[in-house]
Amino acid sequence: AQSVTQPDIHITVSEGASLELRCNYSYGATPYLFWYVQSPGQGLQLLLKYFSGDTLVQGIKGFEAEFKRSQSSFNLRKPSVHWSDAAEYFCAVGSIKEGTDSWGKFQFGAGTQVVVTP
Amino acid sequence: DGGITQSPKYLFRKEGQNVTLSCEQNLNHDAMYWYRQDPGQGLRLIYYSQIVNDFQKGDIAEGYSVSREKKESFPLTVTSAQKNPTAFYLCASSRDRGRTEAFFGQGTRLTVV
Repeated sequence: AQSVTQPDIHITVSEGASLELRCNYSYGATPYLFWYVQSPGQGLQLLLKYFSGDTLVQGIKGFEAEFKRSQSSFNLRKPSVHWSDAAEYFCAVGSIKEGTDSWGKFQFGAGTQVVVTP
Repeated sequence: DGGITQSPKYLFRKEGQNVTLSCEQNLNHDAMYWYRQDPGQGLRLIYYSQIVNDFQKGDIAEGYSVSREKKESFPLTVTSAQKNPTAFYLCASSRDRGRTEAFFGQGTRLTVV
């Protein structure tokens, strides 16, 4: 069964510093990987996605992520964080329903809460 | 504007009552999903539907029911059998057969007292 692990529950970072959020997945085939961000009491917004091709993907709000098959990782990075980046971040993997070429379901990690200090 | 609408944003119910959460999308997406979110547990899948009149149980379907009579609507009923219904509920949709991302509604916070 597929799974997604976000090892860091909580990260505190100073404004202007770099940020890296870790994501590890377990999946037999080529995964479809996503990073979402959630502000308190809101829905999830897609930051970026990886399906195939270039393993370094660019997203919105200055975020990027790198897919490393050998490490089963899809870590999210931002070179310089802003106070508005304080939120919860979720890594997700999509699966293909066995026997069809349609989506089965999305599996989410437990999330990483990011706090930005002045 | 296209999107997913969940209503209401806040919902209060007495213990033992069934309650239905609404989810409507005008994105023409085939697939729709219901997730439950509790602090520190990420999003857990309740039910999902790939096409009209078909739906599948997710990881925590007990105590919940759904219907998919129309492509744009996927209501979730939290029944009295759900032992701990107080949570934040998120509805999502995606284009089927396209390997695409899920789009989320703004969520409904259900409190059972």
